[in-house]
Amino acid sequence: SQTIHQWPATLVQPVGSPLSLECTVEGTSNPNLYWYRQAAGRGLQLLFYSIGIDQISSEVPQNLSASRPQDRQFILSSKKLLLSDSGFYLCAWSGGSNNEQFFGPGTRLTVL
Amino acid sequence: SQQGEEDPQALSIQEGENATMNCSYKTSINNLQWYRQNSGRGLVHLILIRSNEREKHSGRLRVTLDTSKKSSSLLITASRAADTASYFCATAPTGGFKTIFGAGTRLFVKA
Repeated sequence: SQTIHQWPATLVQPVGSPLSLECTVEGTSNPNLYWYRQAAGRGLQLLFYSIGIDQISSEVPQNLSASRPQDRQFILSSKKLLLSDSGFYLCAWSGGSNNEQFFGPGTRLTVL
Repeated sequence: SQQGEEDPQALSIQEGENATMNCSYKTSINNLQWYRQNSGRGLVHLILIRSNEREKHSGRLRVTLDTSKKSSSLLITASRAADTASYFCATAPTGGFKTIFGAGTRLFVKA
């Protein structure tokens, strides 16, 4: 069966520090991968999605970037965090044409 | 702008009652999905309804889709305290890879 892992679960970082959040999927090949951010009590904002290695689309201009060094690994990064980067970050994968998505447990990021 | 918009934003009911949540969207879709999120956790997929389907059931869940009105509803029958969570609709627009999520309905079921 397929599983998706995210780490760390929680992170507290100072403004201006770098960021690296990792997401890995097991049990499937060539998944579509997604990074979302969720503000408290709000819906999901799509940040990046990838339909394959070296195929990453950015949805919103920001100081975040994404990379996919392996088929089942998706990394969210920043060189310098802003206060507004605080939030709950969710990674998800999907396969097939229906776009049903499976979510990781999320990372709670607080930028101070 | 948001593709899916849920209504109401929040809903509080007694255990045993039915809970109905609505979702409206704007563009043509391949399918519409409903997800559940417990506080501080990832989302869990509940049910998917295709654009050529009008109603679908899964356990205590019933989903309807009206493509002419671009709307969907999620009914949870005989609610339980454990159903307390946020519920999101998400649409898969025609010809895309992205699934677009609404802002969600927060459901609170009182024991």
